[in-house]
Amino acid sequence: DTGVSQNPRHKITKRGQNVTFRCDPISEHNRLYWYRQTLGQGPEFLTYFQNEAQLEKSRLLSDRFSAERPKGSFSTLEIQRTEQGDSAMYLCASSRITGTGGYEQYFGPGTRLTVT
Amino acid sequence: ELKVEQNPLFLSMQEGKNYTIYCNYSTTSDRLYWYRQDPGKSLESLFVLLSNGAVKQEGRLMASLDTKARLSTLHITAAVHDLSATYFCAVRSLWRLTFGEGTQLTVNP
Repeated sequence: DTGVSQNPRHKITKRGQNVTFRCDPISEHNRLYWYRQTLGQGPEFLTYFQNEAQLEKSRLLSDRFSAERPKGSFSTLEIQRTEQGDSAMYLCASSRITGTGGYEQYFGPGTRLTVT
Repeated sequence: ELKVEQNPLFLSMQEGKNYTIYCNYSTTSDRLYWYRQDPGKSLESLFVLLSNGAVKQEGRLMASLDTKARLSTLHITAAVHDLSATYFCAVRSLWRLTFGEGTQLTVNP
């Protein structure tokens, strides 16, 4: 399977704990995105990497959130001092420039975070 | 700020019927995407629409884009139960996608 993979798939944590999620993009994709989706809503953009450079961060990404993409391959998203409002599905997507410039984003299976 | 609105948000239809989902967006964009999401699953790409007047079809689904009206439609022909899912449209601005709220489609036998 050469799709986007994410680990873990589910995470339950207590309020105040730190959590880290990992995303492995499709191998030839140099662009990587993180989104957050709460129940009954569409995904909301969090941040974007082109290779190892983080080029855009949403205002949704508070100081407790940090994302990295060392060496332009896999990416990690860390949430410090988790709050109940952080409970959501965290989706990773990757893309490359296509011949038609489609920039189609392919999504991973997501990490469902529950903060108790 | 780019806003994307879908309607209806909930759609219950009978097998064999036709229906259309609408997606309106507030600012100019050159890329519109349609995704499908099954409960508890991630997003599956259905269509990428790149230009005004673009029309794409896959099976019982057909998507179109009118950039002047800032409107995209997803038309369902002769619905079958397997199409039951939530459908999202998304509009690209720079690198980010802004999604609509989604249309939860239920196809009843």
